[in-house]
Amino acid sequence: EVQLVQSGAEVKEPGESLRISCTSSGYSFTNYWITWVRQMPGERLEWMARIDPTDSYINYNPSFRGHVTVSADKSISTAYLQWSSLKASDTAIYYCAKHRLQGRGIDAFDIWGQGTMVTVSS
Amino acid sequence: QSALTQPPSASGSPGQSVTISCTGTSSDIGRYEYVSWYQQHPGKAPKLIIYEVNERPSGVPDRFSGSKSGNTASLTVSGLQAEDEADYYCNSYGGSNNFVFGTGTKITVL
Repeated sequence: EVQLVQSGAEVKEPGESLRISCTSSGYSFTNYWITWVRQMPGERLEWMARIDPTDSYINYNPSFRGHVTVSADKSISTAYLQWSSLKASDTAIYYCAKHRLQGRGIDAFDIWGQGTMVTVSS
Repeated sequence: QSALTQPPSASGSPGQSVTISCTGTSSDIGRYEYVSWYQQHPGKAPKLIIYEVNERPSGVPDRFSGSKSGNTASLTVSGLQAEDEADYYCNSYGGSNNFVFGTGTKITVL
């Protein structure tokens, strides 16, 4: 079964760092781009960034560039989303999703992780 | 890049059809055939229901259909069922290595 399993919920204070993970199984991790999506409480989905696990080539939504960092470790089929200094406004559910077409990074997201809830509060 | 515009809500009785619009620009929906739709039930991850404007993934009922005209894409749910009550989001590739989601539409089954 093709699936993405994300790390568990996190509660952090403003200014702290954080890295959440997305581990794939059931398919060849390096053949499909991974995208990250944010959903703030009660709000819409927002596309954040995508990564080609083959060579870790990354594209960021300009709205998120500089505040988050996306990476991947193909040896363990895992993608990461990290912050060096969290803000209260980072409170949201973060989803990873696999792109549908092999080697293409401009198509739909066919498999989604279960989401990671990140709460930033003092 | 601004969000694609969707109506906040839509509704229909069981068995009826509901159509949701998703309006973008000539730089996203109007330019690319990479329009997709996602269904999200409360507390759940989104699920892909339409890709490349009008294609259905395996396992998605043919009650769900998509189309596009100009800068506007549409999702139609025919033969509404109680389990179709959810939030629906459109998405389009927007060029320049960027994607954009819609504002989301809540479908209520009356």
